[in-house]
Amino acid sequence: GENVEQHPSTLSVQEGDSAVIKCTYSDSASNYFPWYKQELGKRPQLIIDIRSNVGEKKDQRIAVTLNKTAKHFSLHITETQPEDSAVYFCAATRGYSTLTFGKGTMLLVSP
Amino acid sequence: DGGITQSPKYLFRKEGQNVTLSCEQNLNHDAMYWYRQDPGQGLRLIYYSQIVNDFQKGDIAEGYSVSREKKESFPLTVTSAQKNPTAFYLCASSGRAGNTDTQYFGPGTRLTVL
Repeated sequence: GENVEQHPSTLSVQEGDSAVIKCTYSDSASNYFPWYKQELGKRPQLIIDIRSNVGEKKDQRIAVTLNKTAKHFSLHITETQPEDSAVYFCAATRGYSTLTFGKGTMLLVSP
Repeated sequence: DGGITQSPKYLFRKEGQNVTLSCEQNLNHDAMYWYRQDPGQGLRLIYYSQIVNDFQKGDIAEGYSVSREKKESFPLTVTSAQKNPTAFYLCASSGRAGNTDTQYFGPGTRLTVL
């Protein structure tokens, strides 16, 4: 089955800096890669996703890049703000299968 | 994700008791899922259902049971056989069975065993 590794487990940045979270996956047939943000005690919410026919996707301050050859994908947050502080999860899946999640990255943005 | 509800928000159980967690969705989604979340462990799949009257075990199904009698509902029972049931339980749904559609999560139920 699929295995997803996520790094780092914690990330501390200053407000305005950029943050990068990286994930690797094992199943070369995986074709859908969502990222979720979870605030303390709340539900995970989708922030961006990418499919395997695209190398990069951007939505305002958030971008995701995918390298199918190396089987890794990354979340990039620019101009971080304190409200970006949360746990971020990556996930991977292929058609007709279920999502496999990474273990999460706690992002702390200091004012 | 506002169309997925879970109840109760908090649940306390004595050892040896079975408890049932509710999950309802009004999004007309075919597929529904149950995850367990523990600190530092991410989300682990317990059970999922891609169509009414059918469900499959996930990675950590032991000690849990589910039913899918209606499209809108996917209740999870935590049985006394579950050795360490204290956790945050999340229900999710996605649009089309067998497709890589986005999963939307409910607000979760925090279960504590006393």
